[in-house]
Amino acid sequence: QKEVEQNSGPLSVPEGAIASLNCTYSDRGSQSFFWYRQYSGKSPELIMFIYSNGDKEDGRFTAQLNKASQYVSLLIRDSQPSDSATYLCAMGTSAGNNRKLIWGLGTSLAVNP
Amino acid sequence: DAGITQSPRHKVTETGTPVTLRCHQTENHRYMYWYRQDPGHGLRLIHYSYGVKDTDKGEVSDGYSVSRSKTEDFLLTLESATSSQTSVYFCATAGEVYEQYFGPGTRLTVT
Repeated sequence: QKEVEQNSGPLSVPEGAIASLNCTYSDRGSQSFFWYRQYSGKSPELIMFIYSNGDKEDGRFTAQLNKASQYVSLLIRDSQPSDSATYLCAMGTSAGNNRKLIWGLGTSLAVNP
Repeated sequence: DAGITQSPRHKVTETGTPVTLRCHQTENHRYMYWYRQDPGHGLRLIHYSYGVKDTDKGEVSDGYSVSRSKTEDFLLTLESATSSQTSVYFCATAGEVYEQYFGPGTRLTVT
């Protein structure tokens, strides 16, 4: 059973701080990992994807992948109240035509002014 | 973002009635997915499609059927709605990469 695990939170950080969100996964063969943000009552929105070991930066967001330890993380620098949302981690998996994402349950982030 | 629309956006129906939700995309994406999202369960895959007329079951497919007669449309049908199918339903699409893009969702209430 392929799984993705996240701490449900809530993670609470002050405005301007770095928020660190973590995710572990079970499938050593997976090559692709994704972070989605979901505001309350809205649909998930892709914010980062990472395929290679190491760091990938996009603005205030940095995704980190460590395949040896099977974890992926998302750092949000200079956190803003508008970053308050649930963050979903997902792992790509495929077998033939079966191309899917395996989802974590999400981590709730609250950024306090 | 992919142009993905879902209809209806909200629906209230009675137990035992059939319900069809529609997902429409303008991105010519090959893959389309139906999820439901419930508190404590996260996103759960109901059915997915990897091409016109090509569909397969997800992890929570019982009580649901799907059809895809055109690339742009993916229909989800609840043959006989039950209260356990009260949920928020999301459609998502993907091209030849893994990244999925989501529609706005349909809030379904079965009374």
